[in-house]
Amino acid sequence: GAGVSQSPRYKVAKRGQDVALRCDPISGHVSLFWYQQALGQGPEFLTYFQNEAQLDKSGLPSDRFFAERPEGSVSTLKIQRTQQEDSAVYLCASSSRPAGATNEKLFFGSGTQLSVL
Amino acid sequence: AQSVTQLDSQVPVFEEAPVELRCNYSSSVSVYLFWYVQYPNQGLQLLLKYLSGSTLVKGINGFEAEFNKSQTSFHLRKPSVHISDTAEYFCAVSAGNAGNMLTFGGGTRLMVKP
Repeated sequence: GAGVSQSPRYKVAKRGQDVALRCDPISGHVSLFWYQQALGQGPEFLTYFQNEAQLDKSGLPSDRFFAERPEGSVSTLKIQRTQQEDSAVYLCASSSRPAGATNEKLFFGSGTQLSVL
Repeated sequence: AQSVTQLDSQVPVFEEAPVELRCNYSSSVSVYLFWYVQYPNQGLQLLLKYLSGSTLVKGINGFEAEFNKSQTSFHLRKPSVHISDTAEYFCAVSAGNAGNMLTFGGGTRLMVKP
């Protein structure tokens, strides 16, 4: 596709439900990042994939958060037993080279806005 | 670890006036610096970045930023803003060896009034 695509655009969940958020990066992009952006805040790093390998998951806030990218393209961020504090916009970004290559542009999706009631 | 502080959460300004959005960072290692813009219901877009070399960096849409190592700042400026510049602006840093692993500031909402 032309850019990074995220779905759904909006997700409303009842507290305790599990949710799955999808990211379709730009075709062929090696790096994929997930960020969490709470209302009125800047994005905060969650996790990073280089192809199918999850090289950094230090930003995942709890063991209820799980991300995967099994074939090195599409990625899914899963949140189990959602809590109200999980309400945020979840952003996905991709780049054509590994994370250490700063000369490569990072492309962001429009995000999934998760509201936990 | 790195951190970024954007001192102003909101900056109101009249159209065609100059604007400066402030960004300060802290880091124990050398950093790369970025400014991103977020329009409503859109993804973050890179405005400009400083990797090395000239401390004055020019970006898209007439924006520029100056890296000041002694003051650990990377303020964003535009000499004359347009209504279309109304958006959220984020300053971000990455450690010198971490490329695109970004730490963002809290954002500054630029509100351009006619």
